[in-house]
Order: sequence, then C-alpha cells, then structure tokens
Amino acid sequence: QVQLVQSGAEVKKPGASVKVSCKASGYTFTGDYLHWVRQAPGQGPEWMGWINPNSGATDYAQKFQDRVTMTRDTSIRTAYLELSRLTYDDTAVYYCARQYLSTTTVFDPWGQGTLVTVTS
Amino acid sequence: EIVMTQSPATLSVSPGERATLSCRASQTVRSRLAWYQQRPGQAPRLLIYGASTRATGIPATFSGSGSGTDFTLTISSLQSEDFAVYYCHQYNDWPDTFGQGTKLEIK
Repeated sequence: QVQLVQSGAEVKKPGASVKVSCKASGYTFTGDYLHWVRQAPGQGPEWMGWINPNSGATDYAQKFQDRVTMTRDTSIRTAYLELSRLTYDDTAVYYCARQYLSTTTVFDPWGQGTLVTVTS
Repeated sequence: EIVMTQSPATLSVSPGERATLSCRASQTVRSRLAWYQQRPGQAPRLLIYGASTRATGIPATFSGSGSGTDFTLTISSLQSEDFAVYYCHQYNDWPDTFGQGTKLEIK
C-alpha cells in the first residue's frame, strides 16, 4: 500500500535550520507530486509547497519563499523539506502528503508527521 | 488568500445520530473543496474531494455537498471512531488553505 514514512522529531534553537525527510513506498515515486503541510499546536493545517519528484520542480507558499527548500533523491524514493531561520512560530508538526489525483491538489495519504520544536 | 471558516468549532452528538458540519469560503471555490478527518495523534485522512466525491475506502456514511462558498459534511449514524476533528480545504485558488476545524465530540 502507499506509505510515507517521515524522520523523527527535532528540537532546534531559534535561527537554526531543520531538514525533514519523507520516504515513499507502494507507488511510483516520480509519478505524483509531494506536498508539505504543517500544523501548529491546536491549529488547522497550513500548506507550504510541493515538489515534483520527477523533475525536481517546486512551488512554495509565499509565506515561506525565502527560507524553505524542497528537494528529493529519486534513488532512495525520499523527499526533503528544509526550513531555515527558525522562530518559535515554526513549532509544529510537519507532514508530507502525496497528491491524490493528478488534476487536483488533494492530499492522501499523509506521512505520520514530524514534530519540530523550536526552543531556546 | 481565501479564508475558510468552519462552524461550529465543537459539535456534541450522540452515537448513532447524524452530524452536520459547515465550511464557508471567503470567496467562491467552485466545487474544489475537500474534507479530512484527523483523529488524536494521527495525520489527516482524506474523506471527500470535489465537494461530494468520497475518496477510496470511505464509507457511504460520509457525504459532502455544496458549491461556491458554502459546504456541508454530513456523517450519518455516528460510530465511536468518527469522533475526531474535521477540516475543510480549498484547492481552487493558490495557495491552498484549510479551515480551523470542527471537533466532533461524544454527547
């Protein structure tokens, strides 16, 4: 079955960077866009951007444009999210999610999530 | 960006009864609206897309309706596993945006 497995929880200081991985299995990795969505405590999800695993093309939400990088390694079927210049407001669970249909940006399945805590 | 407003924030319903959740968009999203279920400690799960199409494996107890700016998710005959938080998500306009959620709790 389609599965996305993410890396473990991270604790970072303000100003640092974090890199989260998302390993895909059960489908053709290069066939579907992967999205990153984060969810702060008690809040609704927030879309961050997508990567086309085939070409490496990306699209980022304007809010994160200057400090987010999404990459992939097709040889190991893994996508990465890197977020720099972390602040306390970046404390959240970060999810990768497969684009469910080629023509619509709905997400299924999602990875299990990676908690990133920013603390001094 | 489009703001998605869900109501109520919390809904208390007895098992076996019907629940009706609402989602309103700040401008039209046509039918490009999805619903997700999130159980405690889990990732969201896609229930409905295209406002009314159930995703693979989603039971017929879940139904969606609406278009434009007003949408409804109906869950008939609530089971224990249905008590969770539900989010709506518009994908008509960039960037995609989500509502703040409705928590469905046992009455």
